[in-house]
Amino acid sequence: TQLLEQSPQFLSIQEGENLTVYCNSSSVFSSLQWYRQEPGEGPVLLVTVVTGGEVKKLKRLTFQFGDARKDSSLHITAAQPGDTGLYLCAGEGLQGAQKLVFGQGTRLTINP
Amino acid sequence: NAGVTQTPKFQVLKTGQSMTLQCAQDMNHEYMSWYRQDPGMGLRLIHYSVGAGITDQGEVPNGYNVSRSTTEDFPLRLLSAAPSQTSVYFCASSTGGTGGYNEQFFGPGTRLTVL
Repeated sequence: TQLLEQSPQFLSIQEGENLTVYCNSSSVFSSLQWYRQEPGEGPVLLVTVVTGGEVKKLKRLTFQFGDARKDSSLHITAAQPGDTGLYLCAGEGLQGAQKLVFGQGTRLTINP
Repeated sequence: NAGVTQTPKFQVLKTGQSMTLQCAQDMNHEYMSWYRQDPGMGLRLIHYSVGAGITDQGEVPNGYNVSRSTTEDFPLRLLSAAPSQTSVYFCASSTGGTGGYNEQFFGPGTRLTVL
């Protein structure tokens, strides 16, 4: 069974600070997705990384896929209150697209 | 386009009752899935479908049934509700591509409480 461990599970920081969220596994994934979820809503895709070592940027958010495709990180620069939410990583297993494995999530709070 | 819609938004059941959670999508996606979300456990796959007439089990299928008679609809049935099924349920659809081309489009969720 493939597992994805996200850390930290909770993070509360001040506006303007930087932060990194980690998503780790002992399994190899063919791709890894990052979602953001607002209260009372379903998750929304932020980015997908596919190639080992790949780095993608979305404004102040930087996503990286590990060289071995077993881990990923999300780095936020100069966090803003609008970044508050639940961040989920999801791995696409080698066995097929519909077997997405989700991490436990990181609940991020940015205080003004 | 409405995307993925789910009804009801909230539901309270008594132990042993049955109910159906409705899910519909208007994006002509072949792939649809049901997940449950519990605190500290992320999203866990219950059942999924790769097209009309084809369904398969996910990670936590016990206590749930599904069917897919049309591309648009993918209902989830609880045959005899148990308190352990108290959760938030999300339906999702995707094009089903591999290699990173399988963005999941989620509905707004159904919050279910079983007493």
